[in-house]
Amino acid sequence: NAGVTQTPKFQVLKTGQSMTLQCAQDMNHEYMSWYRQDPGMGLRLIHYSVGAGITDQGEVPNGYNVSRSTTEDFPLRLLSAAPSQTSVYFCASSRTGWVKETQYFGPGTRLLVL
Amino acid sequence: GENVEQHPSTLSVQEGDSAVIKCTYSDSASNYFPWYKQELGKRPQLIIDIRSNVGEKKDQRIAVTLNKTAKHFSLHITETQPEDSAVYFCAASIQGIKAAGNKLTFGGGTRVLVKP
Repeated sequence: NAGVTQTPKFQVLKTGQSMTLQCAQDMNHEYMSWYRQDPGMGLRLIHYSVGAGITDQGEVPNGYNVSRSTTEDFPLRLLSAAPSQTSVYFCASSRTGWVKETQYFGPGTRLLVL
Repeated sequence: GENVEQHPSTLSVQEGDSAVIKCTYSDSASNYFPWYKQELGKRPQLIIDIRSNVGEKKDQRIAVTLNKTAKHFSLHITETQPEDSAVYFCAASIQGIKAAGNKLTFGGGTRVLVKP
């Protein structure tokens, strides 16, 4: 199993550009989520999904959209990038979303918005 | 919503000494408390976790304690080694409600440096 994979590893955007961060898992996990990590602030939840077709907002959802059309994929879309979205983005998944389950993190995408 | 505070932000210890990181949380409904280790440029990885019906859990040199009354939990690393150098994050979550998902609220992290 590849586990949780993310692409791209690094991206530079100009303010106002749009892009999609890809996340995929091959473990048949129901639960997937996106976090952003800023220096000194830990990880903050952006959006999450408890199964295909079901998504919900986390702590910092503004400026981001998600969809979950399949169990495997959970893309994160930035419609109009802003410098405040410069961060490292981690996707995570777990077998289910409602009992104690280890969350597995992807390798991260480092995003720089100029 | 939940708020998790973590102290200290940096911790320097001599190899072989113990390291203690403390976290407090605000939501009394939180019942699952994992700890993650993140090495430089790598992804966070779970090292130990504890549920609210347990006061202490050990795994070799790592232990976690939980005080639900005071709403704080701590990570203890004994006999530290240079490979323990990393950033450690505590987190809190409410488990058992599917609609709530496995939402983790993280502390700000502790950078641990183990000096040889």
